Amino acid sequence: NAGVMQNPRHLVRRRGQEARLRCSPVKGHSHVYWYRQLPEEGLKFMVYLQKENIIDESGMPKERFSAEFPKEGPSILRIQQVVRGDSAAYFCASSATGGLDTQYFGPGTRLTVL
Amino acid sequence: KQEVTQIPAALSVPEGENLVLNCSFTDSAIYNLQWFRQDPGKGLTSLLLIQSSQREQTSGRLNASLDKSSGRSTLYIAASQPGDSATYLCAVRDSGYALNFGKGTSLLVTP
Repeated sequence: NAGVMQNPRHLVRRRGQEARLRCSPVKGHSHVYWYRQLPEEGLKFMVYLQKENIIDESGMPKERFSAEFPKEGPSILRIQQVVRGDSAAYFCASSATGGLDTQYFGPGTRLTVL
Repeated sequence: KQEVTQIPAALSVPEGENLVLNCSFTDSAIYNLQWFRQDPGKGLTSLLLIQSSQREQTSGRLNASLDKSSGRSTLYIAASQPGDSATYLCAVRDSGYALNFGKGTSLLVTP
C-alpha cells in the first residue's frame, strides 16, 4: 500500500537549466496538489490537478512553471530556466476525491539551484 | 486571505515535560484544521485533524483543541520524549482545497 512517491528526492540544477519533478499519487487517487516550501517559510499551495486537467493554478508563478497530470503516468512539475530563488522543497499531495478530502503528502523533492 | 501563525518558532524542553504549541488563523470560517509533523528531509505526517464542528481531538499523548471563534488552536504534547523532536506544522482548510500552512514550530526534546 504505497503512499505518495516523489522523485527525485534531491535535484541539483545550474541556473538556466530545467527541473522536472515527478509525483506518483496513492494508488487510486486521481487528485494531485503541489506545494512549495521556501527556506524558513511555510508550505504554499501551487497547483491542483485532476487527471488531464488543471483545476486551480492560482499559486503557480506566472512564468517558467508548469504542471501536468496525464492520463497515464505521474504528475510532473516543470520549472524552466531555473534561478536561485527556485531552491526549495516541493511537496506533492494526493486525495481520492477533491474538495475537503484528506490530502496525503509525499516526502518531497529538494531542489538546489547553483 | 487566510494567514496562519505559529508560536513559538522554536522550543527546547527537557524530556518528560508537558508542552503546548500554538496556532492562530485570521479567518474563522474554516472547514478543518490539521496538525502535521515534519522530520528533517522527510515528508509530512498527519497527527490530528479537527473538523470545524469539533472542539478537540486526541491521539495517544497528543491533544489538539480548536477555538474557531477566536481563531486559535493548540497542540498539547504530554510527557515529551526525544523522539518527539521535529517541526510541527499547523494547516487550515477554509473555502477551498488548498491547505494554508503556518511556518511551524521546531521542537527539540533533550534527554
